[in-house]
Amino acid sequence: DTGVSQNPRHKITKRGQNVTFRCDPISEHNRLYWYRQTLGQGPEFLTYFQNEAQLEKSRLLSDRFSAERPKGSFSTLEIQRTEQGDSAMYLCASSFDGGGYEQYFGPGTRLTVT
Amino acid sequence: QQQVKQSPQSLIVQKGGISIINCAYENTAFDYFPWYQQFPGKGPALLIAIRPDVSEKKEGRFTISFNKSAKQFSLHIMDSQPGDSATYFCAASMSNYQLIWGAGTKLIIKP
Repeated sequence: DTGVSQNPRHKITKRGQNVTFRCDPISEHNRLYWYRQTLGQGPEFLTYFQNEAQLEKSRLLSDRFSAERPKGSFSTLEIQRTEQGDSAMYLCASSFDGGGYEQYFGPGTRLTVT
Repeated sequence: QQQVKQSPQSLIVQKGGISIINCAYENTAFDYFPWYQQFPGKGPALLIAIRPDVSEKKEGRFTISFNKSAKQFSLHIMDSQPGDSATYFCAASMSNYQLIWGAGTKLIIKP
């Protein structure tokens, strides 16, 4: 499978715990994006990387959230001290710089904070 | 000005009919307008996209109509099939990274 992959697919955690999600983009794509989607809403942009550089962060990305993309390959999104309001689907997308604006999404990680 | 307004919120269409979903935007700096299809529990899948220098783009049963002066664009699904039942999102981008999304339209195709 050459699409975007995300792990885990589902995560249930207790309030206050830290969680980390992983995204593996399409191999030749150098741009990687994180979005958050709550039920019945469109995705909201969180942050994006070009290669290993994090170039933009949304105001939605509080200081409890951190994202990394070491070596410009896979990316991780960590949420510290989770809150119930963090419950959402976390989506990763990738695109090819210079190939247009097309972003291809992974299946998402469903986070439930109890 | 960053918003993309999508309507209707939900739509029921008979099999074989035409499904039409509309979106409107304010920011004239937007230069890329994709439509995504999302099934429950899955990530959005890119369906078709258009740039403002083109008024219409067709791919199979899916057509985007774009009206630059009215700042509106729409998705038409011809010969709608039960397998098209999903949530559809329009989006817009002006900077080659951040997609601004509509609220989505839940489409149900009745057999």
